[in-house]
Amino acid sequence: GDSVTQMEGPVTLSEEACLTINCTYTATGYPSLFWYVQYPGEGLQLLLKATKADDKGSNKGFEATYRKETTSFHLEKGSVQVSDSAVYFCALRDDKIIFGKGTRLHILP
Amino acid sequence: DADVTQTPRNRITKTGKRIMLECSQTKGHDRMYWYRQDPGLGLRLIYYSFDVKDINKGEISDGYSVSRQAQAKFSLSLESAIPNQTALYFCATSPPGTDNQPQHFGDGTRLSIL
Repeated sequence: GDSVTQMEGPVTLSEEACLTINCTYTATGYPSLFWYVQYPGEGLQLLLKATKADDKGSNKGFEATYRKETTSFHLEKGSVQVSDSAVYFCALRDDKIIFGKGTRLHILP
Repeated sequence: DADVTQTPRNRITKTGKRIMLECSQTKGHDRMYWYRQDPGLGLRLIYYSFDVKDINKGEISDGYSVSRQAQAKFSLSLESAIPNQTALYFCATSPPGTDNQPQHFGDGTRLSIL
């Protein structure tokens, strides 16, 4: 069945560092891909999405490119802030959404 | 007002008790979902419903039941709670079709079973 694998955390970085959180997927069809963010005490919020190969989703300085050849959708940001500290979930959607296990990101001032 | 509202936000109860978690939405979406979140396991789907007359089991439905009382309401019940059902529970909605719209989440219910 479909699945999502993302890098384990926690990931700890200093403010202004570059971020990459890896995400790979397996799917029989052509899913849409998403990154969600969960801030402490809150539900998940959609961060960005891509619906077909080579699409790039972007929001709040974060980017991810749908790479069909490597079945990947890595999340990147050039300069992180303390306010980016949260748990990040990669997900795919065919008929239902399937989530990765989440990666906790901690940014130090 | 939140688009997806879960009640209660927090609940502590004892083993063997019956518990109901409620979810209501103002999005007008047909599809509703219940997930549980455990540390290191991400979100796992418990049940989902594509309309009022449609109920489907997710990957971890044992020990849970649901009721879709109306398009806007989807309740999750634990008939006899056990400690390993301690988790954070999320309700979510999405519109129908193949438009690939993402789901909208409530803020969660933190449930502790003693």
